Amino acid sequence: ETGVTQTPRHLVMGMTNKKSLKCEQHLGHNAMYWYKQSAKKPLELMFVYSLEERVENNSVPSRFSPECPNSSHLFLHLHTLQPEDSALYLCASSQAGPGNTIYFGEGSWLTVV
Amino acid sequence: AQKITQTQPGMFVQEKEAVTLDCTYDTSDQSYGLFWYKQPSSGEMIFLIYQGSYDEQNATEGRYSLNFQKARKSANLVISASQLGDSAMYFCAMREGQWGFNKFYFGSGTKLNVKP
Repeated sequence: ETGVTQTPRHLVMGMTNKKSLKCEQHLGHNAMYWYKQSAKKPLELMFVYSLEERVENNSVPSRFSPECPNSSHLFLHLHTLQPEDSALYLCASSQAGPGNTIYFGEGSWLTVV
Repeated sequence: AQKITQTQPGMFVQEKEAVTLDCTYDTSDQSYGLFWYKQPSSGEMIFLIYQGSYDEQNATEGRYSLNFQKARKSANLVISASQLGDSAMYFCAMREGQWGFNKFYFGSGTKLNVKP
């Protein structure tokens, strides 16, 4: 079992749909992240939760809504997306403190049609 | 200013040869961490190697080593004896923040192609 699992791996949705991406970490970490990776662009940090509180929101449009019900689970709720939102969405987790690594899930490939 | 710079968008290497992927970083923190990740076409970001800013020895993990030159603020990844399965995107990353919440910064990546 991998340390960070994401579902679904692939998602195709229309611009009027509402869907959610789910992330679960089994590493006992206290921080979780959503990153967006578009073609030929570097990773963009979207949201960070530390101890279940949102500590970072990098000017992400409101059509993306994160939720962190506990330290092991993170959701990204999607509604009325645009085709340019098609990308790979990566969830990650880490433990706050020196010497700690950020671990990623396998990613969710999102296509907005 | 960019926190992490990877100047090689693409690299080719012959199978069984060594290759160096460049990474420079920018920080004013004394305590920070440097990382390399591999991303195959499937999308998963795979952690390869870590170097702490206070570590005096260069980190090594199997065929991967990190050439850490603190004064030059560089953290190059060296892959020895390249294999076809090494073909992937490689990202350099830096962690700032010693206690509490950590911020991670990623470079734009280097696409490595290993030729048979």
